[in-house]
Amino acid sequence: AQSVTQPDIHITVSEGASLELRCNYSYGATPYLFWYVQSPGQGLQLLLKYFSGDTLVQGIKGFEAEFKRSQSSFNLRKPSVHWSDAAEYFCAVAPEWGDYKLSFGAGTTVTVRA
Amino acid sequence: DTAVSQTPKYLVTQMGNDKSIKCEQNLGHDTMYWYKQDSKKFLKIMFSYNNKELIINETVPNRFSPKSPDKAHLNLHINSLELGDSAVYFCASSQERFRSYEQYFGPGTRLTVT
Repeated sequence: AQSVTQPDIHITVSEGASLELRCNYSYGATPYLFWYVQSPGQGLQLLLKYFSGDTLVQGIKGFEAEFKRSQSSFNLRKPSVHWSDAAEYFCAVAPEWGDYKLSFGAGTTVTVRA
Repeated sequence: DTAVSQTPKYLVTQMGNDKSIKCEQNLGHDTMYWYKQDSKKFLKIMFSYNNKELIINETVPNRFSPKSPDKAHLNLHINSLELGDSAVYFCASSQERFRSYEQYFGPGTRLTVT
């Protein structure tokens, strides 16, 4: 079964600074990979996804993520954070075939300071 | 227009009661899901329906029973509520069952059992 690890429970970043959130997955093949964001009191929103092809994927709200097969990682980045980026971020993985379930990481809480 | 809506947003009830949470999506999607998010924000799938057919049924107590009257609605009924059922329950939908993991989430229902 696939699993997802987000090593950072909480990250604090200054407004305007860059942000990188780490995600590592465990799976026998290349899974489908996702980043979701959950703003306070809201449901989850898909930021970006990777299925195949270019390993650098662009998402909404200025986010991008890079898939590195050798490191089993799918890290999320943003060059300059805004106060509205304060939220919970979830990495998720799903297998290419068979089980159609998303498995989520434990999430990373991002706090943005002025 | 809200894509995925849930009612109620908050639900406070006593142990032993029976309660229902309703979910509706107006996206024309075929597949709907119920997730449970615990106090540590860990998100885990509970059920999934595709065109009113149950396709994912995780290991959850029999006290939880989903029901899909049509493909736009997926309700969750919980019998004999326990303290451990306190959580945020999210409904989600996706366009198709196979290889489509872009899920749209509702705002969540915060259930508190006292």
